[in-house]
Amino acid sequence: EAGVAQSPRYKIIEKRQSVAFWCNPISGHATLYWYQQILGQGPKLLIQFQNNGVVDDSQLPKDRFSAERLKGVDSTLKIQPAKLEDSAVYLCASRYGTGVNSPLHFGNGTRLTVT
Amino acid sequence: AQSVTQPDIHITVSEGASLELRCNYSYGATPYLFWYVQSPGQGLQLLLKYFSGDTLVQGIKGFEAEFKRSQSSFNLRKPSVHWSDAAEYFCAVGASGTYKYIFGTGTRLKVLA
Repeated sequence: EAGVAQSPRYKIIEKRQSVAFWCNPISGHATLYWYQQILGQGPKLLIQFQNNGVVDDSQLPKDRFSAERLKGVDSTLKIQPAKLEDSAVYLCASRYGTGVNSPLHFGNGTRLTVT
Repeated sequence: AQSVTQPDIHITVSEGASLELRCNYSYGATPYLFWYVQSPGQGLQLLLKYFSGDTLVQGIKGFEAEFKRSQSSFNLRKPSVHWSDAAEYFCAVGASGTYKYIFGTGTRLKVLA
C-alpha cells in the first residue's frame, strides 16, 4: 500500500511569511494527525482529525496555525505569520482505526526553516 | 497524565555489540507502548508494540522489548547491532480510551564500525 504522502519536503521562509503543508494519508485511514518535531525533541501533537472533524487541537497555536481536512481525506496545515520558533519538521500521520492500539503510520515530513 | 522518559540522549555502540535503549513511562492504567525508529530525513517507522499478554515482544529488524510493570519500563533491545541501525529511536505511550500518543524525546544511536 502507498504510504502517507507529504509535500513539500523542505521549505525556507522568512519570519512573518505564511506557509502551507499538505498531507495525503493512507487510503481508508480515518484518523489523521499533525505533529511538530523540533530538533532534538520527540514529536508533539498539534491536531488530530477523525474523518473531517477535529478531535483534539488543544496544542495548536490557533493565533497562527490552522488546519483543515476537507472531505475527510487530504489535509493542509498552515502557519501565518511564521515565527523563528516554528522551525521544525512537520509530520503527518494516519491510522486505520480510532483506538490507540492501531499504530500510526508517518509520512517523511516537511522540514521548515524560518529565517 | 501520561508521560515518557528516555534517559539517554545519545548512545554509541560498536557494530556487533548488544544494545539496550531505556524507556520509562508514567500512566495510571496499563498503557499501550510503542517503539519507533526514525532514520535521517525520514518519518517514524513502527518497530514493535505492546498491548497486553506476553511481556516480551518481538519486532522488526531483530528488535525486542520487555514490558516491566513494576519498573514502569519498556526497554528496547537488540543482541547484535548492525551499522544500518544508526538512527533515532522514540518510545511512545498511548492511553486506552484516547487517541493520543505521547512520545519521548528520543535516543540517537551511533554505530561504530
